Amino acid sequence: QKEVEQDPGPLSVPEGAIVSLNCTYSNSAFQYFMWYRQYSRKGPELLMYTYSSGNKEDGRFTAQVDKSSKYISLFIRDSQPSDSATYLCAMSSGANSKLTFGKGITLSVRP
Amino acid sequence: GAVVSQHPSWVICKSGTSVKIECRSLDFQATTMFWYRQFPKQSLMLMATSNEGSKATYEQGVEKDKFLINHASLTLSTLTVTSAHPEDSSFYICSAEEGTTNEKLFFGSGTQLSVL
Repeated sequence: QKEVEQDPGPLSVPEGAIVSLNCTYSNSAFQYFMWYRQYSRKGPELLMYTYSSGNKEDGRFTAQVDKSSKYISLFIRDSQPSDSATYLCAMSSGANSKLTFGKGITLSVRP
Repeated sequence: GAVVSQHPSWVICKSGTSVKIECRSLDFQATTMFWYRQFPKQSLMLMATSNEGSKATYEQGVEKDKFLINHASLTLSTLTVTSAHPEDSSFYICSAEEGTTNEKLFFGSGTQLSVL
């Protein structure tokens, strides 16, 4: 079993839809959870950064962490065509520890 | 956010030649930089951690003599792929840490290497 599993997709939704992206993990030592957005042939850009379990909201984006289930989610409300990108989850055991990434899921938002 | 510049953005080379990729933090000093490799539809895999003024720390399975890393200043790290082969063709991405937490980790735009 890989440390971090992420549904590879791809995922296509109409503009305005609510998008739910998920990752599961096996390492119970992970404490810090991140979501990155990566446009084609570009480096990842940090979207959300959370510590331990709970929810965090930033504009149209909400990150959820459920450590008991080893499951994290990213919700995108009122999705826009500009949200079309690859989304990667990442996690680490410490604040400056090595990041372990999921494979990423490619999202396409249709106008 | 802080800016990390990576150059070149793409390079094509012949098998057996060496290629150097540069990673610069433009508006901050980075004691630590990281080098990743990403194959199509795969996750970013950490290759090595580069510390200014000291030897890089390589991940298991990464050949340090093939992937030479130099971090000579607080704003520049270089990755040299020596004697490149077609199997080294990949997307290489660097990141630089502004401060001491992953929250302040900024990525370059990547380098697509194609070895013929």
